[in-house]
Amino acid sequence: DQQVKQNSPSLSVQEGRISILNCDYTNSMFDYFLWYKKYPAEGPTFLISISSIKDKNEDGRFTVFLNKSAKHLSLHIVPSQPGDSAVYFCGSSNTGKLIFGQGTTLQVKP
Amino acid sequence: DVKVTQSSRYLVKRTGEKVFLECVQDMDHENMFWYRQDPGLGLRLIYFSYDVKMKEKGDIPEGYSVSREKKERFSLILESASTNQTSMYLCASSFQYEQYFGPGTRLTVT
Repeated sequence: DQQVKQNSPSLSVQEGRISILNCDYTNSMFDYFLWYKKYPAEGPTFLISISSIKDKNEDGRFTVFLNKSAKHLSLHIVPSQPGDSAVYFCGSSNTGKLIFGQGTTLQVKP
Repeated sequence: DVKVTQSSRYLVKRTGEKVFLECVQDMDHENMFWYRQDPGLGLRLIYFSYDVKMKEKGDIPEGYSVSREKKERFSLILESASTNQTSMYLCASSFQYEQYFGPGTRLTVT
């Protein structure tokens, strides 16, 4: 039973355009959500997070939106850059333990 | 800067061998985690620890054990390696929600 799902295995966008990565979860007890970025042969690095008491958090080019009623969160990257090409994982937390989605591979074309 | 180091970047072992993967963090974090990453399956939690000498099973603990004798060190043990344990292994540590990952160990069991 997958509690966190990223239904799009891959996404391709043009440089300068918006990238939207999606994540769905089933457990209403999750209280904190995070996005990580991972390059090949490296560990994931933290990107941005949001608490369940908020519906939006912004950090530079990155914005995370949380829709609790739909149990859905999304990561917006504007404008997308070739260096953003990586695998993106969403993680949902309850009591500090993270449950991750399957990941979405983003390719940003120059 | 938080630093999480893993003992090996690449490891090749034979079926049936006992394998030790070591992880060390330098930020005095209470929480430490072991994940494996496989294509299409995302990051799956094997074991975690919230304190020295304490361990909890994650989602896929079968075939693995862990040891946490010191706060900064968390070891993953494959008691008898099998080919289905070929994977990327990632260690992480955290104080609260945000987890910091090591660079990963690519383990191949032949």
